[in-house]
Amino acid sequence: DSGVTQTPKHLITATGQRVTLRCSPRSGDLSVYWYQQSLDQGLQFLIQYYNGEERAKGNILERFSAQQFPDLHSELNLSSLELGDSALYFCASGNSGSFETQYFGPGTRLLVL
Amino acid sequence: AQSVAQPEDQVNVAEGNPLTVKCTYSVSGNPYLFWYVQYPNRGLQFLLKYITGDNLVKGSYGFEAEFNKSQTSFHLKKPSALVSDSALYFCAVRDDSNYQLIWGAGTKLIIKP
Repeated sequence: DSGVTQTPKHLITATGQRVTLRCSPRSGDLSVYWYQQSLDQGLQFLIQYYNGEERAKGNILERFSAQQFPDLHSELNLSSLELGDSALYFCASGNSGSFETQYFGPGTRLLVL
Repeated sequence: AQSVAQPEDQVNVAEGNPLTVKCTYSVSGNPYLFWYVQYPNRGLQFLLKYITGDNLVKGSYGFEAEFNKSQTSFHLKKPSALVSDSALYFCAVRDDSNYQLIWGAGTKLIIKP
């Protein structure tokens, strides 16, 4: 158990809908990362927050957004969902510094029908 | 461009034999390298990392990795494989431009009894 929690574990929704995924980092970690893992594209970095501020952006679609709250938990919002958004979404948290190790949560499996 | 490659989609090893999962990288500056493991339906777990120092890095679950600067490689090794080592293994290198991790495509390791 990494100490990173994600809810929900599974999510089934329809195209065009909007969902919110939630992540709580390990105690003391200020960084939160979001990743998408799909069969055909592997592990894709979406976005990073550090202590409430956006720090880096990866291959995140405009339909997706994220934020980190004062208590350091983070939410990833996915809107206008398409079939291709079906994937595992992971959150990871980090302790500090530019060499920080990322600790991953168990993931949220999203299925868009 | 900075990149990481895992040349083998799958590696098959008999239980008790030594195992190697290969990773090569390309970075402009000093390489900072990581190995993670993903068991079925689980999040990624950190195994080990190389920042600087000794070329042989020891990690969790009896794994180690050898950093070779001249061959730009960071291969994961274990002297005696267990069936429980069967999983998906990811190599990653830190991107100097934004400090994010660049991930390999993953190697599926199958240990046969």
